[in-house]
Amino acid sequence: GAVVSQHPSRVICKSGTSVKIECRSLDFQATTMFWYRQFPKQSLMLMATSNEGSKATYEQGVEKDKFLINHASLTLSTLTVTSAHPEDSSFYICSAKGQGGFNYGYTFGSGTRLTVV
Amino acid sequence: QKEVEQNSGPLSVPEGAIASLNCTYSDRGSQSFFWYRQYSGKSPELIMSIYSNGDKEDGRFTAQLNKASQYVSLLIRDSQPSDSATYLCAVNLGQAGTALIFGKGTTLSVSS
Repeated sequence: GAVVSQHPSRVICKSGTSVKIECRSLDFQATTMFWYRQFPKQSLMLMATSNEGSKATYEQGVEKDKFLINHASLTLSTLTVTSAHPEDSSFYICSAKGQGGFNYGYTFGSGTRLTVV
Repeated sequence: QKEVEQNSGPLSVPEGAIASLNCTYSDRGSQSFFWYRQYSGKSPELIMSIYSNGDKEDGRFTAQLNKASQYVSLLIRDSQPSDSATYLCAVNLGQAGTALIFGKGTTLSVSS
């Protein structure tokens, strides 16, 4: 089946530094990737949608200059949290969607637990 | 405003019972519907998807969809303690490249 690898699984960083999270589709080409954020006891909130080779589309309230998304290939998307602050501490999850129609394969990565200290 | 609503629970059932989880959605244009299970600290895992009105069965799980009522449910038969998790309902408008919109999830606790 479709597999999405997400790294790192956990990261602790100091306030003011940047953190990069990678999301790779291992056995399929992901035409679209989605980035979600989940705070404790909350649901997954969509942050942005990225299509290979084009700029990401951000949801209302998500700062595009703070959360940089790059989708340079059909198998890799990265999310960089710039100048991280404690309020950015959250569980970040990517989802990749393969080709083959709009109902084809929403596969989730294993998530990244970010703690900003 | 596209919304997916779920009762947060917790829903508590004894082992072997049927657990019934419900979800409503606001956008009548929604085309596809998914149930995910999420254990604490883990990423969601897909249980079932459903696209047409009616029931869809897969093992102990049955998804039910009623587009007229904008309602989708998940039944878990013969509930097991390992089913204890948060169940997320997700909806998609069906347009190419659009994301899943999630409800807040219902926490299920199955006691042995």
